[in-house]
Amino acid sequence: ETGVTQTPRHLVMGMTNKKSLKCEQHLGHNAMYWYKQSAKKPLELMFVYNFKEQTENNSVPSRFSPECPNSSHLFLHLHTLQPEDSALYLCASSQWLHYEQYFGPGTRLTVT
Amino acid sequence: KNEVEQSPQNLTAQEGEFITINCSYSVGISALHWLQQHPGGGIVSLFMLSSGKKKHGRLIATINIQEKHSSLHITASHPRDSAVYICAVTGNQFYFGTGTSLTVIP
Repeated sequence: ETGVTQTPRHLVMGMTNKKSLKCEQHLGHNAMYWYKQSAKKPLELMFVYNFKEQTENNSVPSRFSPECPNSSHLFLHLHTLQPEDSALYLCASSQWLHYEQYFGPGTRLTVT
Repeated sequence: KNEVEQSPQNLTAQEGEFITINCSYSVGISALHWLQQHPGGGIVSLFMLSSGKKKHGRLIATINIQEKHSSLHITASHPRDSAVYICAVTGNQFYFGTGTSLTVIP
């Protein structure tokens, strides 16, 4: 238990669906991150929020839309995804930007 | 070419062996991280270091800033050490290695 929770843990969605992933951290951290991990590939950093402000968007397609209403919660809204978006989506938080990160268990997403 | 290169990609060891995983990077960094990912996906941060050496239990991490190289050592390896070990660096942005898959056989 790292203090970072993610829901749901598993998600199957069609290409026309809209769904959201949720991340919550109970550590009092100020920075939160979304990562994508596809099979046989390195972790890909998608978005970074620092004090609720988005500081990095690493050329992520607009079908992924992040939201950070406060420093403890982070959402990833999904719409019109493609099968190649199937992956493990990990959330992490850190006390300060680019400091040691604590990861959630991830959401295993399958797009059919 | 990746900004972070790890070697080896795969490693099998007998229980009790001393293990070394290497990481080389090509960018300027403020810190280097070693992460451990178990089957099922959960990732744990093992070390964050910017110079010298850190030790936690049977794990030791070293970094040589001049040579842009870090090593993760596991002493007296155990089957529960079986996992993927990921090297990551932070500077202007994050860069991740592809990971080293370690299997420790009883």
